[in-house]
Amino acid sequence: EDKVVQSPLSLVVHEGDTVTLNCSYEVTNFRSLLWYKQEKKAPTFLFMLTSSGIEKKSGRLSSILDKKELFSILNITATQTGDSAIYLCAVRNFGNEKLTFGTGTRLTIIP
Amino acid sequence: NAGVTQTPKFQVLKTGQSMTLQCAQDMNHNSMYWYRQDPGMGLRLIYYSASEGTTDKGEVPNGYNVSRLNKREFSLRLESAAPSQTSVYFCASSDGRSSGNTIYFGEGSWLTVV
Repeated sequence: EDKVVQSPLSLVVHEGDTVTLNCSYEVTNFRSLLWYKQEKKAPTFLFMLTSSGIEKKSGRLSSILDKKELFSILNITATQTGDSAIYLCAVRNFGNEKLTFGTGTRLTIIP
Repeated sequence: NAGVTQTPKFQVLKTGQSMTLQCAQDMNHNSMYWYRQDPGMGLRLIYYSASEGTTDKGEVPNGYNVSRLNKREFSLRLESAAPSQTSVYFCASSDGRSSGNTIYFGEGSWLTVV
């Protein structure tokens, strides 16, 4: 059965700190790994990763994938209170298009 | 641009009642999904449909049925609601592109079973 595990489950840091969120996976026929941010309603897209070692970057957020070790990390530098959210990792299969999410990491930024 | 539309947004059911959550997308996507999200947890896949005419079970299918009525619509039915099915339900669809954001979510349906 496909599995996506995120760690830590929750994290509380002070504004300005840097955080690293982890996502490991075991899936058949890996196609892509996606990161989402969820505040009050539906998740919003952050990154999609398909190739190992290529960093995706958007402002203070960046992410990288390791297909050999089957994990990805999401980094947030100089955190702000607006970064407080649940961060979700998902992996997608080739063929059957199944999309499996992890449990999420709840990030809280203290002013 | 409607995107993914799901109804109702809020519903309160009594134990044993049945109801159907409706989902429609206007982006001509092949794949559609139903997830539930419980407090402090990620999205758990209930059922998905890779294309019109096919449906498959996800992680937590028990107590639910689905219908892929046509390419646009994918409904989720609770035949006999239980308090354990109190949750937020998200419908999503995907265009299967190989790059960029390929998954689009509805706004969620908050369901309470009493």
